[in-house]
Amino acid sequence: GAVVSQHPSRVICKSGTSVKIECRSLDFQATTMFWYRQFPKKSLMLMATSNEGSKATYEQGVEKDKFLINHASLTLSTLTVTSAHPEDSSFYICSASGTSGRLEQYFGPGTRLTVT
Amino acid sequence: GQNIDQPTEMTATEGAIVQINCTYQTSGFNGLFWYQQHAGEAPTFLSYNVLDGLEEKGRFSSFLSRSKGYSYLLLKELQMKDSASYLCAVKRGANNLFFGTGTRLTVIP
Repeated sequence: GAVVSQHPSRVICKSGTSVKIECRSLDFQATTMFWYRQFPKKSLMLMATSNEGSKATYEQGVEKDKFLINHASLTLSTLTVTSAHPEDSSFYICSASGTSGRLEQYFGPGTRLTVT
Repeated sequence: GQNIDQPTEMTATEGAIVQINCTYQTSGFNGLFWYQQHAGEAPTFLSYNVLDGLEEKGRFSSFLSRSKGYSYLLLKELQMKDSASYLCAVKRGANNLFFGTGTRLTVIP
C-alpha cells in the first residue's frame, strides 16, 4: 500500500513556458502533500507544504508566484512551474502523508524537468 | 531553521557493518527519519525514531539521542544493493521534514 505516483516522469520544455506536474496518492487519502526539489548529488529541499483545500505554505526563498501549488482533492496535488528558465531544471519529488496514522511520508518517483 | 549534517560519502565492504551518523540542530523537533535513495529514484522509508534509543528492523537499525542531537543508521551484513544515498531527515511540527545532505554509500566486493 501507500503508493504515490507522479506524472510526467520526465519533461523538457522551452524557456518561458509553463509546465504542470501531478502528484497522486493511489491507495490512500493524502491530507498533506509536500513538494521537494533535488539538485544533482544533493539532498531534498522542501519547497512547500499543501493541505487539501487550503493554500500551500512555502518555505523561505521559494517564489509562490513561480511555483504554483494546488491541492484540490485528497488524492491530487499539482505543481506548476510558470515561465520556466534553465535554472529551474531539476528533479521535483512530491510526497504525501495521510490519515492512516502512520508517521512516514510516502514519496513519488519524481519528475525530471529540463528547461532549454 | 535547522542544521543537519551527515558525511558526504562512505565506502564499506560487502558483508561488513557500516554506521552512518547524523547530527542536527533544530527547534520543534518531532522525530527523525532515515530514507534510502537510489540514483534517480524516490526516497524509500527505512526507520523512524522519536524517543531515545535503538530501533531495529532486520539488517537496519537506527539510534537517536535527543539530548545530543545525534542519530545513526547501522547497516549489517552489507549487500551490493545497499549502495545508495542515505538521507537523515528531521521532522518539525506535525508534518514537515527537513533533509540532511545525504550520505552516498558505496559497497565494494
